[in-house]
Parts: sequence; C-alpha cells; structure tokens
Amino acid sequence: QVQLQQWGAGLLKPSETLSLTCAVYGGSIEGYYWSWIRQPPGKGLEWIGEINRRGTTNYNPSLKSRIVISVDTSKSHLSLRLNSVTAADTAVYYCARDGFELWGQGTLVTVSS
Amino acid sequence: SSDLTQDPAVSVALGQTVRITCQGDSLKNFLPNWFQQKPGQAPILVIHLRNNRPSGIPDRFSGSTSGNTASLTITGAQAEDEADYYCNSRDNSGFYVFGTGTKVTVL
Repeated sequence: QVQLQQWGAGLLKPSETLSLTCAVYGGSIEGYYWSWIRQPPGKGLEWIGEINRRGTTNYNPSLKSRIVISVDTSKSHLSLRLNSVTAADTAVYYCARDGFELWGQGTLVTVSS
Repeated sequence: SSDLTQDPAVSVALGQTVRITCQGDSLKNFLPNWFQQKPGQAPILVIHLRNNRPSGIPDRFSGSTSGNTASLTITGAQAEDEADYYCNSRDNSGFYVFGTGTKVTVL
C-alpha cells in the first residue's frame, strides 16, 4: 500500500524559507504527477503547484515567484520550497499524487515573529 | 474567471439525498473531482473526473456535470458523510483551482 509521509519545519519567522519533504513509501515516485496543496486554518484548499512525469513544473501564478517544487527519484522524495514567507503562508501543507487520489497527512506550518 | 463557487453549507436528514453544486467557467472544458474532508484530516477523493468512484468509496456518492455546473450527490446520506466537500478542476490556463467548499450537516 502506497503511503505519503511528510515532514518539515513547523514554525518559521517572516522572510524565512519554508521547506517540506514528502516521501513515497511502498511505490514508485516516477511516472506520476505530484502536487502540493495548502489550507490556511479554518479556510479552503489552495493548489500550490505540480511537477509532471518529465520533471516540468506548473505553479499557481499567485505563488510562482516564490516556490520551487522538485523530485529526487533516488530518494523517492517530493520537495516544496517557498521563500520569503509571511503570516499569510500559515497553513497546513499537503502533498498529493496524480489526480489527487492519494494525499500526505499534512504538515502545519506557522509563520510568526 | 477561474473561480469555482460552492454553497457554504447544506443539511440533509439521515437517509435522505443531498446534492452539492460547484459552478465555474472551467467546468465547461475540464472534468471535476470531488473531495471529502473531515476535521483534522487530509481530504479524500470521492469522485474522480466527473463520475468515477475510487476504490473504497461507497456507491451512494455520484457525480455529474451540466454546462458550467458540477454536482456531487449523496443518495441515502449517513452520519459519517458529515464533512466539508470541495470540488476542483483544471482551469483554462492549465492550473488547478479548488471550489470554495460546502459544509454538509447530517441531521
């Protein structure tokens, strides 16, 4: 059974860089699209971006200038980096596989001075 | 506009049928997905690409589209169906957009 396990720093100061990892267990990371999604506390879901099977990325225009999504196939890791964070970036961040059929458990990232 | 609009909340009596709608221009060109999210949990895909149920999703969940509106129907709602529901689809720029979400209460 394929599982996605996420981790990363949960508390950041404004202007720092958010860095999250999503590990794929029990299956391959290759051959799929992978997305990151976030959800501010008490609010709805926001798509952050995706990386396709060829490694091409597609980012939400509202975040495009600050984000990098990458895949390390040797480790079966999906990564998200979001720089220059502010309080508005406080959210639960999720990774998800192709078609959103499989989700990570979510990581709460809080930005506070 | 690439927005997907949902009613904020709906309620349904136990065992009855409820329809949740999602409206947006992107739905004229792209098939929707539907997600169920319970408090403190990650979303779960309940309908994939308009009307396909992933393995393990009860057949009381069904989806449809008409023009710029997608619908998720729960036929014979159960107490465990009480949750937030979100639609999503690609938009005309190739990005994904999520709906505003609907809170379903089972009475």
